Amino acid sequence: DIQMTQSPSFLSASVGDRVTITCRASQGIDIYLTWYQQKPGEAPKLLMYAASTLRSGVPSRFSGSGSGTDFTLTISSLQPEDLATYYCQQSFSPPFTFGPGTKVDIK
Amino acid sequence: EVQLVESGGGLVQPGRSLRLSCAASGFNFEDYAMHWVRQIPGKGLEWISSISWNGGISDYAASVKGRFTISRDNAKNSLFLQMNSLRGDDMALYYCATDNGITVAGRLDYWGQGTLVTVSS
Repeated sequence: DIQMTQSPSFLSASVGDRVTITCRASQGIDIYLTWYQQKPGEAPKLLMYAASTLRSGVPSRFSGSGSGTDFTLTISSLQPEDLATYYCQQSFSPPFTFGPGTKVDIK
Repeated sequence: EVQLVESGGGLVQPGRSLRLSCAASGFNFEDYAMHWVRQIPGKGLEWISSISWNGGISDYAASVKGRFTISRDNAKNSLFLQMNSLRGDDMALYYCATDNGITVAGRLDYWGQGTLVTVSS
């Protein structure tokens, strides 16, 4: 099975800050990497797929990059509504494993 | 508007069975592969099963293989998860989610709100 790791597990930043979350796969997954956002008390929502393709309706302050084993999710200017836990997930092969999540807090 | 509504969760004793359902609306259900994902409250996400548009292909996480069975009824726009031999570590919020096409690509486009399964004697 492909293992996914994320760092950091928690971060606290101020509104307007640039925030970067890293996701690593235990083996190459090309660009089969999806990011989800889960706000407190809500179900997860797809944010970005194919490593860098923003889902329609997602603010452009979110961006993604990477291929192979290393990926990043960047929020260019953190907003209060971005308070959430962010998960990466590989869709290269089943089981479609998730990373452990990165909780983003607003200072 | 895509809507997925899970039901069937509840309190069940270890070793017993439970059947979860997911009612889909707002899209052509038979055009999409589907998934079940679970989450222990306060913890991370665990993908547990997927099924192709016609039920011909299904897959499971090792943690549930042999105990859980995914199925679907396209005529009733419904997805199911039969859970047998339940254990304490199956206790979680169970979500159903759509894939982005008829085959299982592993991309979970839309999610329901989940149904809670509690396993306790």
